[in-house]
Amino acid sequence: DIQMTQSPASLSASLGETVTIECRASEDIYNGLAWYQQKPGKSPQLLIYNANSLHTGVPSRFSGSGSGTQYSLKINSLQSEDVASYFCQQYYNYPLTFGSGTKLEIK
Amino acid sequence: QVQLKETGPGLVQPTQTLSITCTVSGFSLTSYYMQWVRQTPGKGLEWMGFIRSGGSTEYNSEFKSRLSISRDTSKNQVFLKMNSLKTEDTGVYYCARDKGTFDYWGQGVMVTVSS
Repeated sequence: DIQMTQSPASLSASLGETVTIECRASEDIYNGLAWYQQKPGKSPQLLIYNANSLHTGVPSRFSGSGSGTQYSLKINSLQSEDVASYFCQQYYNYPLTFGSGTKLEIK
Repeated sequence: QVQLKETGPGLVQPTQTLSITCTVSGFSLTSYYMQWVRQTPGKGLEWMGFIRSGGSTEYNSEFKSRLSISRDTSKNQVFLKMNSLKTEDTGVYYCARDKGTFDYWGQGVMVTVSS
């Protein structure tokens, strides 16, 4: 199984700041990587697919990058509505696997 | 618009069988794979299995021996059944539409396994 190691586990930043979340796969996943946002009490929502493609309706302050085994999610100009947990997921191979999540808070 | 909604029991006793229904609208089950994912305190988000648009299924080997996924396309419903429940199966169970990635999710159903 492909292991997804996500960091940091938690993050606190000020409004307007830029934050980056990292995800490392245990083997090459050839950009088969998605990022999800999960607000408290809600289901995960797709942000990014194919490592760097923005899902429909997602604000352009979210962006994804990376290749091989290393991927990142960047949030520019942090807004209060970005308070959430963020998860990476590899879909290159089954079983599909998720990172353990990053909890983002506002300072 | 696309909607998914899971329904199921809130409480299940250990060793019993869990049954959850995912009712969808706004798209056809014969055009998309449908996935099941759960979120538990112990393991976070876990992929459980899926049913293809053609009706065949694949399961995570972690659950394979006790998990079954099926559907009724006439009712726009997908079903999850898992037997021999343990306390560590407590968590939120989600169905999701698969368009390569999971582009729509249900609200989830909280399941507590306890006597």
